[in-house]
Order: sequence, then structure tokens, then C-alpha cells
Amino acid sequence: GAVVSQHPSRVICKSGTSVKIECRSLDFQATTMFWYRQFPKQSLMLMATSNEGSKATYEQGVEKDKFLINHASLTLSTLTVTSAHPEDSSFYICSASGTESNYGYTFGSGTRLTVV
Amino acid sequence: GDSVVQTEGQVLPSEGDSLIVNCSYETTQYPSLFWYVQYPGEGPQLHLKAMKANDKGRNKGFEAMYRKETTSFHLEKDSVQESDSAVYFCALSGKNTDKLIFGTGTRLQVFP
Repeated sequence: GAVVSQHPSRVICKSGTSVKIECRSLDFQATTMFWYRQFPKQSLMLMATSNEGSKATYEQGVEKDKFLINHASLTLSTLTVTSAHPEDSSFYICSASGTESNYGYTFGSGTRLTVV
Repeated sequence: GDSVVQTEGQVLPSEGDSLIVNCSYETTQYPSLFWYVQYPGEGPQLHLKAMKANDKGRNKGFEAMYRKETTSFHLEKDSVQESDSAVYFCALSGKNTDKLIFGTGTRLQVFP
């Protein structure tokens, strides 16, 4: 079946530094990737949608200069949290969708970001 | 816009109890409907899905019927087990959009 690998699973960084999170589709071509943010005991909030080779489309209220998304290939998308601050601490989850309709949406295992 | 409303908060049945977690949706399109399950510290996993009206999704004893007339996709199980404990999200995706719209999630805690 479809597998999406996301790493790191946990990262702690200092305030003001940047952190990159990778999301890879291992056995299918992900034409579209999604990035979500989840606060404790809450639902997933869609941050942005990216199509391979195109600029990401950000949801309202999400700062595109702070959350840089790159989707340079059909198997890899990255989210970079720039100049991280403690309020950026959260659980970030990617999801990928491929051209094969049976795959639907496959989620990565998430990244717990803690900014100190 | 598209939206999903599901049973809020948590559900606390005992092992062997029957379960219904309500999910209602609103959309102008003909959506596909999903239930995702999330365990602590992990990303959501697809639990079951239904792609069109009157389809029934099934997985591990859980069922959900896609009911267009009531715009609902309730999750049901005859007899829950402690291992079913997790957070369950109802979600939809429209034919004209590739986004998944999630409900707020329902925490299922089954007591032995």
C-alpha cells in the first residue's frame, strides 16, 4: 500500500533558528502534498497544499514567508519553519495524494516541533 | 463552504458496548467520505471510506453508511474493544477540490 515517510519525528530547536521537515512518498508518485498543523486535542488544520513543480497554495492566515514549502519532485515535499518561535511549537503532519485513486490520502507519522 | 460536524469531545463506552459516533456533512458537491483514526503521537490513518451515496465502508468491525438523504456518515460498531481506543476523525473531499475537510475529532476511550 501507499506509504508516506516523514522525518524527523521529533525536533527541538532554539528560538530564531529554522527547522526543515521532510515528507516522502515511498512507493507512489505524490502529485499533491498537504501540510497540516495540529494542536493538542484538536483537529488537523490545513496549512497549505502543494503540487509538484508549483508554488504552494496557503490557507488563509498562514504566513507563507514563515512556513516555506517546497515540492520539487513527485516524491518529496519539505516544510521549513523559519525563525521559529515558541508559539510555532506544534505537531506538523504531511499528507500525500497520488494519481492512483485507490491511494486516496496517506498521512505521514507527524513531527513534534518544540521551540525553546 | 464545505464542513463536517461530528460527535464532540469523548465517548466512554465499556468493552462490549455498541457504538455510534455521529458525522454530518455539508457541501455543494458530491463528496467522498472518510473516517480516519489517530493514535497518540502518530499521524491519522485511513480507517474506512465511501466514495458515493449508499456505499458502506467497513473495517475491523466498524461500519459507516454514506447517506445522501440525511448527509450523514455515522460510524458504528456492535461491540467495541479496548484496542479501539483512539481519536476518530470524520472527513470529506469534494470532487472539485483535492482538500480533505476534517471534523473536530471524537476521542473514544473504551474501558475494560
